[in-house]
Amino acid sequence: GQQVMQIPQYQHVQEGEDFTTYCNSSTTLSNIQWYKQRPGGHPVFLIQLVKSGEVKKQKRLTFQFGEAKKNSSLHITATQTTDVGTYFCGNAGGTSYGKLTFGQGTILTVHP
Amino acid sequence: NAGVTQTPKFQVLKTGQSMTLQCAQDMNHNSMYWYRQDPGMGLRLIYYSASEGTTDKGEVPNGYNVSRLNKREFSLRLESAAPSQTSVYFCASVYGSTLTEAFFGQGTRLTVV
Repeated sequence: GQQVMQIPQYQHVQEGEDFTTYCNSSTTLSNIQWYKQRPGGHPVFLIQLVKSGEVKKQKRLTFQFGEAKKNSSLHITATQTTDVGTYFCGNAGGTSYGKLTFGQGTILTVHP
Repeated sequence: NAGVTQTPKFQVLKTGQSMTLQCAQDMNHNSMYWYRQDPGMGLRLIYYSASEGTTDKGEVPNGYNVSRLNKREFSLRLESAAPSQTSVYFCASVYGSTLTEAFFGQGTRLTVV
């Protein structure tokens, strides 16, 4: 997979505020995957985006894949304490068949 | 179905000792992976096996070896453990060649003293 950079590394919000994390690549991505890892847990798949400009929603979560397929974002509306965790973007395949690599992750804390 | 099972869950090693981390999946997945997770470093790919019989280096392979024993099992070996290998290790698997959802094991917390 191609290298993806994820920002910010940390985000602290008050419950009810919105949250966004971004993944950026210098090269065109074949796909982008998003995962959530609760504290002390393991990463769990949220969604995969493959099409240019794709937007998908899961309740309060909105995922976007850029038109140039070089960036992606995860937006959470009105955060809740259950949103706490680390969010990772990942990229699969590309020039290396079967390779799955991840960004550095964004650690989200939500203050009640 | 158990999904992806890693053993052990916790391990303490002395510098220079060797050990093998075991991973098995019961979902008939083709691709399997080993990652390490360190604070601020995210998930870094150590080795992966895109299909049974093949293994490839990831981003941080030095100090590790792997074996894809069969379609179900993918082990990670530390021949001579170093304190820098203190980390949480995750195994993951994916079905098929188009790479969709990855399933992760519960992780192994390894401390090298």
